[in-house]
Amino acid sequence: DVKVTQSSRYLVKRTGEKVFLECVQDMDHENMFWYRQDPGLGLRLIYFSYDVKMKEKGDIPEGYSVSREKKERFSLILESASTNQTSMYLCASSPGTSDYEQYFGPGTRLTVT
Amino acid sequence: LAKTTQPISMDSYEGQEVNITCSHNNIATNDYITWYQQFPSQGPRFIIQGYKTKVTNEVASLFIPADRKSSTLSLPRVSLSDTAVYYCLVGDMGRSNYQLIWGAGTKLIIKP
Repeated sequence: DVKVTQSSRYLVKRTGEKVFLECVQDMDHENMFWYRQDPGLGLRLIYFSYDVKMKEKGDIPEGYSVSREKKERFSLILESASTNQTSMYLCASSPGTSDYEQYFGPGTRLTVT
Repeated sequence: LAKTTQPISMDSYEGQEVNITCSHNNIATNDYITWYQQFPSQGPRFIIQGYKTKVTNEVASLFIPADRKSSTLSLPRVSLSDTAVYYCLVGDMGRSNYQLIWGAGTKLIIKP
């Protein structure tokens, strides 16, 4: 069964802290994605990766960076967390042959105070 | 850059067929149309994807007219467990021109 796991379901951080959100998939998928979801705005793509050590900016990369050192793991980094980064963060993966069918993790609810 | 428009919410009853329409007037030639379902406290789940005409799988059908400016997700004989938010997604996942836009979602409420 396909599985995407995220390191935390809930996270509370202070303004200015460095925040790491981890995502692991066990399906040997080539593609991985990070989204944020806010009420009324749907999902917005932050970064994605088509291969190890490869990354591409999505629609809202400002304030974020990513790391993909291994195929199964894709990390989202908030270098200096701000209150406007309070959101639900969703990780997804997809096989290289079907980019449109993405498998999502349960999400991390991040609150920055 | 395709932008999608969906109804904010819809109600229906168990056993009925539900049709949710998504408008995407500026869809590009390389764009595909994909629908996802999301339950509270869960990530979205893929339902169906298409490019033109009609696509059917075990859970839904997707109707796309010739001009591709809209699409309709059809859920046959819904049950209470189909209460969820449904997202219409239009985009080109080509690696040289990655564009992916999610609609705001339609909250579907199924009543007994």
